[in-house]
Amino acid sequence: SQQGEEDPQALSIQEGENATMNCSYKTSINNLQWYRQNSGRGLVHLILIRSNEREKHSGRLRVTLDTSKKSSSLLITASRAADTASYFCATRRNNAGNMLTFGGGTRLMVKP
Amino acid sequence: EPEVTQTPSHQVTQMGQEVILRCVPISNHLYFYWYRQILGQKVEFLVSFYNNEISEKSEIFDDQFSVERPDGSNFTLKIRSTKLEDSAMYFCASSERISGANVLTFGAGSRLTVL
Repeated sequence: SQQGEEDPQALSIQEGENATMNCSYKTSINNLQWYRQNSGRGLVHLILIRSNEREKHSGRLRVTLDTSKKSSSLLITASRAADTASYFCATRRNNAGNMLTFGGGTRLMVKP
Repeated sequence: EPEVTQTPSHQVTQMGQEVILRCVPISNHLYFYWYRQILGQKVEFLVSFYNNEISEKSEIFDDQFSVERPDGSNFTLKIRSTKLEDSAMYFCASSERISGANVLTFGAGSRLTVL
């Protein structure tokens, strides 16, 4: 079965630095999404990139998608302490209904 | 901003008991989902629901589980005869679109502790 797998599993950086998280998946997809989860809370949608797109920006977020390598990256620029959270990629497979499959997440800690 | 509401926020139950987790999805959304997250682990898909029936379910969603939309607003997950390994955070989500991009809006979760 398809799974998104993020790396690193944990990342600790200083405020102001950039954070890069990667996601790999196994089958062809319709789109890939990134979600954020604060500790003990629900997931919040951040950004979606379609399979025919290569890069997308939203504020301090930049997402890339390489379908030939079945991988995506999420870059958070100029990180803030409030960015501390877990970040998950989620994929929607082609011709496989509406479900999203989530990866294991990257735990990001931004130190003030 | 519209949100998905889940109750209870935390439930403690004895092994073997039945549990019902409740969710109120966003009113104009058409797809409803349950996911679970065992502490520190990945978010796992359980089931999706559309047009008053299950549209997809995972291997986790066995006969112990059932979902229902008893009225026009609530969406429930029932877990019969709970086991210790059912202890997890259960998230309800809903999405608007039938096709194309489907962005999920999640509730804050219901933490289930089975003793």
